[in-house]
Amino acid sequence: QIQLVQSGAEVKKPGASVKVSCKTSGYTFSHYGVVWVRQAPGQGLEWMGWVNGYSGNTKYAQKFRDRVTMTRDASTGTAFMELRGLRSDDTAVYFCARCKVLIAIEGFDHWGQGTPVSVS
Amino acid sequence: SSDLTQPPSVSVSPGQTARITCSGDAFPDQYVYWLQKKPGQAPLLVIFKDNERPSGIPERFSGSTSGTTVTLTISGVQPEDEADYFCLSPDSSGEDASFGGGTKLTVL
Repeated sequence: QIQLVQSGAEVKKPGASVKVSCKTSGYTFSHYGVVWVRQAPGQGLEWMGWVNGYSGNTKYAQKFRDRVTMTRDASTGTAFMELRGLRSDDTAVYFCARCKVLIAIEGFDHWGQGTPVSVS
Repeated sequence: SSDLTQPPSVSVSPGQTARITCSGDAFPDQYVYWLQKKPGQAPLLVIFKDNERPSGIPERFSGSTSGTTVTLTISGVQPEDEADYFCLSPDSSGEDASFGGGTKLTVL
């Protein structure tokens, strides 16, 4: 079955970086992308961007463009999201999800369990 | 990215019909996806491409569109449907996307 399994909870100091992994299985990784979404406490879902599983090309949301890097290791089917210059308002649960880009980005049918990141 | 507007809250009694709207400038040119989010759980896709239901999602969940507004309808609401619901849609480029602010569905 299709699974996305994320790395564990992180506690970071302001100004530090965090790198979250998303290990996929059960499908052909290179046929899909991985999108990253976060939810701060008491807030809604926030789109961060995505990485193409085949090419490694990325598209970041404007808000995160200066601080985020999304990569993938196609040999292991794993996607990574690194966020730099952490601030307290980056405290959130970070989710990965499977996506695809044909005419437009689509999918979002399988999700990781979420990785809590606390910045304090 | 585009701005997607949802009502903050909707309340219904069990068995009634809940309708949650999402308005956006890119509609109807881009598809809308609806996600259910419960505390401590990952988001769950309940409607994709405006009105398609993934396998395993109950038939009481449906989606529709009318101009620049899309609607998630939950017919015969069950207590377990209480959750936050988010619409998600690509922008006009198709490569970026954004969420609506979310609607808290309360089952009275």
